[in-house]
Amino acid sequence: GQQVMQIPQYQHVQEGEDFTTYCNSSTTLSNIQWYKQRPGGHPVFLIQLVKSGEVKKQKRLTFQFGEAKKNSSLHITATQTTDVGTYFCAGQAAGNKLTFGGGTRVLVKP
Amino acid sequence: NAGVTQTPKFQVLKTGQSMTLQCAQDMNHEYMSWYRQDPGMGLRLIHYSVGAGITDQGEVPNGYNVSRSTTEDFPLRLLSAAPSQTSVYFCASSYSQPNYGYTFGSGTRLTVV
Repeated sequence: GQQVMQIPQYQHVQEGEDFTTYCNSSTTLSNIQWYKQRPGGHPVFLIQLVKSGEVKKQKRLTFQFGEAKKNSSLHITATQTTDVGTYFCAGQAAGNKLTFGGGTRVLVKP
Repeated sequence: NAGVTQTPKFQVLKTGQSMTLQCAQDMNHEYMSWYRQDPGMGLRLIHYSVGAGITDQGEVPNGYNVSRSTTEDFPLRLLSAAPSQTSVYFCASSYSQPNYGYTFGSGTRLTVV
């Protein structure tokens, strides 16, 4: 079945630094979504990418969908303490199932 | 507009007991799904539905049943609880059109002893 892998599993970041988390799918995707889950909370939808090579920005967050539509990345610039949480990618292939990656847990050192 | 409402928030069951986790949404979303989240495992899809009367299995359906008699409600039934079903359960819903992500409920933390 479809698998979605995320790396790294953990990311310790100094406040003010940049980092990137990566997402790879075993199958070609129709779209990919990104979610953020704060500690003790529930996942919250951030964005969806649909087109090959698509790049979208939300303030300090930049999302990219690979040309082959099998990988994606999330880059955060000038990390803040409010960025703490787990970031999940979720891929949708043919059909309606949304398969989540294992997540990248982000810890920020002030 | 309450979004996705899950009840109960916490539950402790004994092995072998059955129970139903409730999920309701008031956004007229076609898609609804149940996920379980275990430490370090991300979110795994249990069952999902693309509309009233239609359900399908996800990655980890064994031990769980679902039904979708209305657009609003998507209950998850544990038939005979096992310690391996100790987890946090999330219900989520979405429109069927592109560019809409899933709205998640606040979760049910289930412990099976």
